[in-house]
Amino acid sequence: DQQVKQNSPSLSVQEGRISILNCDYTNSMFDYFLWYKKYPAEGPTFLISISSIKDKNEDGRFTVFLNKSAKHLSLHIVPSQPGDSAVYFCAANFGNEKLTFGTGTRLTIIP
Amino acid sequence: ETGVTQTPRHLVMGMTNKKSLKCEQHLGHNAMYWYKQSAKKPLELMFVYSLEERVENNSVPSRFSPECPNSSHLFLHLHTLQPEDSALYLCASSQMGPGVSDEQFFGPGTRLTVL
Repeated sequence: DQQVKQNSPSLSVQEGRISILNCDYTNSMFDYFLWYKKYPAEGPTFLISISSIKDKNEDGRFTVFLNKSAKHLSLHIVPSQPGDSAVYFCAANFGNEKLTFGTGTRLTIIP
Repeated sequence: ETGVTQTPRHLVMGMTNKKSLKCEQHLGHNAMYWYKQSAKKPLELMFVYSLEERVENNSVPSRFSPECPNSSHLFLHLHTLQPEDSALYLCASSQMGPGVSDEQFFGPGTRLTVL
């Protein structure tokens, strides 16, 4: 049972445009959500997180939006840069429970 | 056994003890990871092993010592830990290489309490 889903395995975006990565979850207990970025042959890097008491969190070019009623999370990157090309994972948990990760979306930024 | 397994699932230790966490992956992957998960904090990557060689060590204190004897097994040796090291320790594996998603498969974790 995949509690965190990233339904798009890949996404290509023109440099300078907005990249939108989506994530859906099924467990209504989740109250903490994160996005990670992973380059090939490296460990994942934390990008941004959001608590369920908020619906938006912004950090530079990265903004995460949370829609609790739809159980939907999205990451916006604007403007997109070539260095943003990577695999992006969303994750969620509640309390001290183990983080549950999505399967990842490979983002390719086209120069 | 399938997937990624970790033992023990729970561990309570004193600050002077020495213990080891074990991880085993049955997925044929070529990379393994140790993470520390503390409440309401992002997952902290501790160590990455690719093809049994350590490729990343994010300034983890020396009281944590990893060992990767082969591509299926990963250990985390613990000694003279501090109470703030209490957390959930997660092991993960993935297949690194061109054309793969690098999706990580996580074990159930070891919940460590340091008294």
